[in-house]
Amino acid sequence: ILNVEQSPQSLHVQEGDSTNFTCSFPSSNFYALHWYRWETAKSPEALFVMTLNGDEKKKGRISATLNTKEGYSYLYIKGSQPEDSATYLCAFEDSGYALNFGKGTSLLVTP
Amino acid sequence: DAGVTQSPTHLIKTRGQHVTLRCSPISGHKSVSWYQQVLGQGPQFIFQYYEKEERGRGNFPDRFSARQFPNYSSELNVNALLLGDSALYLCASSLVGGGYTFGSGTRLTVV
Repeated sequence: ILNVEQSPQSLHVQEGDSTNFTCSFPSSNFYALHWYRWETAKSPEALFVMTLNGDEKKKGRISATLNTKEGYSYLYIKGSQPEDSATYLCAFEDSGYALNFGKGTSLLVTP
Repeated sequence: DAGVTQSPTHLIKTRGQHVTLRCSPISGHKSVSWYQQVLGQGPQFIFQYYEKEERGRGNFPDRFSARQFPNYSSELNVNALLLGDSALYLCASSLVGGGYTFGSGTRLTVV
Protein backbone atom coordinates (compact mmCIF):
# COMPACT_ATOMS: atom_id res chain seq x y z
CA ILE A 1 0.00 0.00 0.00
CA LEU A 2 1.48 3.34 -1.06
CA ASN A 3 1.16 6.19 1.41
CA VAL A 4 -0.37 9.32 -0.13
CA GLU A 5 -1.01 12.07 2.39
CA GLN A 6 -3.06 15.21 1.88
CA SER A 7 -3.22 18.24 4.10
CA PRO A 8 -5.12 19.91 5.49
CA GLN A 9 -8.00 17.46 5.92
CA SER A 10 -10.49 20.31 5.64
CA LEU A 11 -10.42 24.02 5.02
CA HIS A 12 -12.98 26.79 5.39
CA VAL A 13 -12.22 30.10 3.63
CA GLN A 14 -14.07 33.25 2.71
CA GLU A 15 -14.94 34.12 -0.86
CA GLY A 16 -11.99 35.86 -2.48
CA ASP A 17 -9.34 34.19 -0.32
CA SER A 18 -6.56 32.28 -2.01
CA THR A 19 -5.73 28.86 -0.66
CA ASN A 20 -3.45 25.91 -1.22
CA PHE A 21 -3.34 22.21 -0.37
CA THR A 22 -0.50 19.73 -0.18
CA CYS A 23 -0.17 16.18 -1.47
CA SER A 24 2.83 14.08 -0.47
CA PHE A 25 3.66 10.76 -2.09
CA PRO A 26 6.49 8.23 -2.40
CA SER A 27 9.43 9.68 -4.31
CA SER A 28 10.36 6.37 -5.94
CA ASN A 29 8.77 4.62 -8.93
CA PHE A 30 6.96 7.78 -9.98
CA TYR A 31 4.73 7.55 -13.07
CA ALA A 32 2.20 10.40 -12.70
CA LEU A 33 0.36 12.56 -10.17
CA HIS A 34 -3.33 13.29 -10.65
CA TRP A 35 -5.55 15.96 -9.08
CA TYR A 36 -9.32 15.58 -8.99
CA ARG A 37 -12.14 17.83 -7.85
CA TRP A 38 -15.11 15.94 -6.38
CA GLU A 39 -18.44 17.52 -5.58
CA THR A 40 -21.00 15.60 -3.57
CA ALA A 41 -23.22 13.29 -5.65
CA LYS A 42 -21.16 13.91 -8.77
CA SER A 43 -18.27 12.08 -10.41
CA PRO A 44 -14.68 13.09 -9.66
CA GLU A 45 -13.55 15.66 -12.21
CA ALA A 46 -9.98 15.47 -13.50
CA LEU A 47 -8.07 18.71 -12.95
CA PHE A 48 -4.46 17.86 -13.80
CA VAL A 49 -2.22 14.96 -14.75
CA MET A 50 1.39 15.78 -14.01
CA THR A 51 4.32 13.66 -15.06
CA LEU A 52 7.52 15.72 -15.06
CA ASN A 53 9.47 17.05 -12.09
CA GLY A 54 9.00 20.81 -11.94
CA ASP A 55 5.72 20.66 -13.90
CA GLU A 56 3.38 23.57 -13.34
CA LYS A 57 -0.14 23.42 -14.72
CA LYS A 58 -2.95 25.96 -14.68
CA LYS A 59 -6.69 25.80 -15.34
CA GLY A 60 -8.41 29.12 -14.78
CA ARG A 61 -7.90 30.12 -11.13
CA ILE A 62 -6.51 26.71 -10.19
CA SER A 63 -2.87 25.76 -10.59
CA ALA A 64 -0.63 22.92 -9.45
CA THR A 65 3.08 22.26 -9.06
CA LEU A 66 5.00 19.00 -8.86
CA ASN A 67 8.25 17.97 -7.15
CA THR A 68 8.92 14.29 -7.80
CA LYS A 69 12.35 14.28 -6.15
CA GLU A 70 10.97 15.20 -2.74
CA GLY A 71 7.53 13.69 -3.34
CA TYR A 72 5.06 16.54 -3.09
CA SER A 73 2.57 18.51 -5.13
CA TYR A 74 0.73 21.74 -4.31
CA LEU A 75 -2.68 22.79 -5.56
CA TYR A 76 -3.47 26.50 -5.47
CA ILE A 77 -6.82 28.23 -5.85
CA LYS A 78 -6.68 31.97 -6.42
CA GLY A 79 -9.66 34.08 -5.35
CA SER A 80 -11.82 31.19 -4.08
CA GLN A 81 -15.49 31.20 -5.05
CA PRO A 82 -18.40 29.30 -3.41
CA GLU A 83 -18.53 27.02 -6.47
CA ASP A 84 -14.99 25.87 -5.64
CA SER A 85 -16.40 24.09 -2.59
CA ALA A 86 -15.60 20.41 -3.09
CA THR A 87 -13.22 17.68 -2.02
CA TYR A 88 -9.86 17.82 -3.79
CA LEU A 89 -8.18 14.45 -4.24
CA CYS A 90 -4.67 13.70 -5.33
CA ALA A 91 -3.62 10.30 -6.66
CA PHE A 92 -0.14 8.89 -7.18
CA GLU A 93 0.35 6.53 -10.10
CA ASP A 94 3.40 4.27 -9.93
CA SER A 95 2.58 1.54 -12.38
CA GLY A 96 0.58 2.99 -15.23
CA TYR A 97 -2.59 1.20 -14.21
CA ALA A 98 -3.51 1.99 -10.59
CA LEU A 99 -4.20 5.27 -8.83
CA ASN A 100 -3.30 5.49 -5.13
CA PHE A 101 -5.50 8.18 -3.64
CA GLY A 102 -5.09 10.35 -0.59
CA LYS A 103 -8.06 10.98 1.68
CA GLY A 104 -8.68 14.38 0.13
CA THR A 105 -8.97 17.95 1.32
CA SER A 106 -12.51 19.19 1.86
CA LEU A 107 -12.83 22.87 0.92
CA LEU A 108 -15.74 25.06 1.94
CA VAL A 109 -15.91 28.59 0.53
CA THR A 110 -18.50 30.85 2.10
CA PRO A 111 -19.74 34.16 0.64
CA ASP B 1 -20.87 12.81 -25.69
CA ALA B 2 -21.76 10.32 -22.94
CA GLY B 3 -19.35 10.04 -20.06
CA VAL B 4 -18.71 6.94 -18.00
CA THR B 5 -22.04 5.45 -16.97
CA GLN B 6 -22.58 3.15 -14.03
CA SER B 7 -25.61 1.14 -12.99
CA PRO B 8 -27.38 0.89 -10.72
CA THR B 9 -26.83 4.16 -8.85
CA HIS B 10 -27.91 2.68 -5.52
CA LEU B 11 -28.70 -0.75 -4.22
CA ILE B 12 -29.25 -2.54 -0.95
CA LYS B 13 -28.19 -6.15 -0.44
CA THR B 14 -28.24 -8.59 2.45
CA ARG B 15 -25.12 -10.17 3.94
CA GLY B 16 -24.11 -13.29 2.06
CA GLN B 17 -25.73 -12.23 -1.20
CA HIS B 18 -24.03 -11.60 -4.49
CA VAL B 19 -23.97 -8.29 -6.40
CA THR B 20 -23.10 -7.24 -9.96
CA LEU B 21 -22.23 -3.65 -10.79
CA ARG B 22 -21.98 -2.42 -14.36
CA CYS B 23 -19.91 0.20 -16.14
CA SER B 24 -19.91 1.58 -19.68
CA PRO B 25 -16.74 3.46 -20.63
CA ILE B 26 -16.42 6.52 -22.79
CA SER B 27 -16.57 5.60 -26.46
CA GLY B 28 -13.06 4.73 -27.67
CA HIS B 29 -11.69 4.00 -24.20
CA LYS B 30 -10.48 0.42 -24.00
CA SER B 31 -9.40 0.43 -20.35
CA VAL B 32 -11.77 0.21 -17.36
CA SER B 33 -10.78 0.44 -13.70
CA TRP B 34 -12.79 -0.18 -10.53
CA TYR B 35 -12.34 1.58 -7.19
CA GLN B 36 -13.99 1.25 -3.78
CA GLN B 37 -14.50 4.29 -1.59
CA VAL B 38 -15.57 3.93 2.02
CA LEU B 39 -16.52 6.92 4.13
CA GLY B 40 -13.56 9.00 5.23
CA GLN B 41 -11.09 7.31 2.89
CA GLY B 42 -9.85 7.95 -0.62
CA PRO B 43 -10.89 5.54 -3.38
CA GLN B 44 -9.00 2.22 -3.33
CA PHE B 45 -7.98 0.41 -6.50
CA ILE B 46 -9.70 -2.94 -7.11
CA PHE B 47 -9.07 -3.91 -10.75
CA GLN B 48 -8.03 -2.62 -14.13
CA TYR B 49 -8.98 -4.31 -17.39
CA TYR B 50 -7.62 -3.53 -20.84
CA GLU B 51 -8.75 -5.27 -24.00
CA LYS B 52 -10.63 -7.81 -21.86
CA GLU B 53 -7.49 -8.79 -19.94
CA GLU B 54 -6.82 -8.03 -16.26
CA ARG B 55 -3.86 -5.63 -16.06
CA GLY B 56 -3.79 -5.16 -12.33
CA ARG B 57 -5.50 -6.11 -9.11
CA GLY B 58 -5.55 -4.32 -5.79
CA ASN B 59 -5.52 -5.79 -2.30
CA PHE B 60 -9.03 -7.24 -2.31
CA PRO B 61 -10.20 -10.79 -1.49
CA ASP B 62 -11.14 -13.34 -4.13
CA ARG B 63 -14.81 -12.57 -3.45
CA PHE B 64 -14.23 -9.64 -5.79
CA SER B 65 -14.03 -10.41 -9.50
CA ALA B 66 -14.53 -8.51 -12.71
CA ARG B 67 -14.64 -8.94 -16.41
CA GLN B 68 -14.62 -6.80 -19.54
CA PHE B 69 -16.74 -7.46 -22.58
CA PRO B 70 -15.93 -7.06 -26.32
CA ASN B 71 -17.64 -3.64 -26.30
CA TYR B 72 -15.27 -2.64 -23.42
CA SER B 73 -18.05 -2.40 -20.85
CA SER B 74 -17.30 -4.08 -17.55
CA GLU B 75 -18.91 -5.82 -14.61
CA LEU B 76 -17.70 -5.98 -11.04
CA ASN B 77 -18.97 -8.97 -9.07
CA VAL B 78 -18.83 -9.36 -5.32
CA ASN B 79 -19.79 -12.68 -3.70
CA ALA B 80 -20.72 -13.47 -0.10
CA LEU B 81 -21.29 -9.82 0.76
CA LEU B 82 -20.09 -8.53 4.12
CA LEU B 83 -21.23 -5.44 5.98
CA GLY B 84 -17.79 -3.97 5.30
CA ASP B 85 -18.41 -4.10 1.54
CA SER B 86 -20.81 -1.18 1.94
CA ALA B 87 -19.19 1.58 -0.07
CA LEU B 88 -19.31 3.73 -3.17
CA TYR B 89 -17.95 1.77 -6.13
CA LEU B 90 -16.43 3.93 -8.84
CA CYS B 91 -15.60 2.98 -12.39
CA ALA B 92 -13.09 4.88 -14.52
CA SER B 93 -12.23 4.57 -18.18
CA SER B 94 -9.08 5.70 -19.92
CA LEU B 95 -7.01 5.63 -23.03
CA VAL B 96 -3.66 3.90 -22.51
CA GLY B 97 -1.29 6.43 -20.96
CA GLY B 98 -4.03 9.01 -20.58
CA GLY B 99 -5.99 10.41 -17.67
CA TYR B 100 -8.87 8.62 -16.05
CA THR B 101 -12.52 9.68 -16.36
CA PHE B 102 -14.76 8.55 -13.54
CA GLY B 103 -18.43 7.72 -13.39
CA SER B 104 -20.58 8.93 -10.52
CA GLY B 105 -20.53 5.56 -8.83
CA THR B 106 -22.82 2.89 -7.40
CA ARG B 107 -23.68 3.22 -3.73
CA LEU B 108 -23.87 -0.30 -2.25
CA THR B 109 -25.38 -0.83 1.18
CA VAL B 110 -25.10 -4.26 2.78
CA VAL B 111 -27.50 -4.93 5.65
